[in-house]
Amino acid sequence: QVQLKETGPGLVQPTQTLSITCTVSGFSLTSYYMQWVRQTPGKGLEWMGFIRSGGSTEYNSEFKSRLSISRDTSKNQVFLKMNSLKTEDTGVYYCARGNLDYWGQGVMVTVSS
Amino acid sequence: DVVMTQTPVSLSVSLGGQVSISCRSSQSLVHNNGNTYLSWYLQKPGQSPQLLIYKVSNRFSGISDRFSGSGSGTDFTLKISRVEPDDLGVYYCGQGTQYPYTFGAGTKLELK
Repeated sequence: QVQLKETGPGLVQPTQTLSITCTVSGFSLTSYYMQWVRQTPGKGLEWMGFIRSGGSTEYNSEFKSRLSISRDTSKNQVFLKMNSLKTEDTGVYYCARGNLDYWGQGVMVTVSS
Repeated sequence: DVVMTQTPVSLSVSLGGQVSISCRSSQSLVHNNGNTYLSWYLQKPGQSPQLLIYKVSNRFSGISDRFSGSGSGTDFTLKISRVEPDDLGVYYCGQGTQYPYTFGAGTKLELK
């Protein structure tokens, strides 16, 4: 069955870089878009961007200058990297398949010194 | 950006009752390809959002026919009939027509 699981640090210091891995099973990354959505206390659900089945990316301009999405199809993994973190980036980060039909459990990230 | 406005913010319902949630977008959600990419999600307490309805009125796999979506252009509605305890949580609408994709602020469904 389709499964997605995010792993990442629970705590990141301000100005540092956030790295989250989404490991998937039950489908191929070469057949589906993979999206990243976060949920913060301040802004609720926010779409961050996606990587297409062919490997190209699209980003929310809100994050574009500091966000990168990539993947390793051989490992069934998708990666999110976001630099210059601020306290407002605290929230739960989700990866989701395609048209957001399946979501991971999410990873809570706290940005604090 | 397309602003998604959901009403009401919260809703109290009796088990077995029926409710409607409204979602309005600041711009038409009709894509150049003719599709309207408006979806509905339910986030149960402590869980990630789950897809209920896509492209306005299509139920996702395994979703009960008690859930129905309707609307067009900028005005959309989710109806839930014969409400069950497992339906409680926060409902979100979201659009995938125009970048950046955006979501409503949510409607919390609670028991009366």
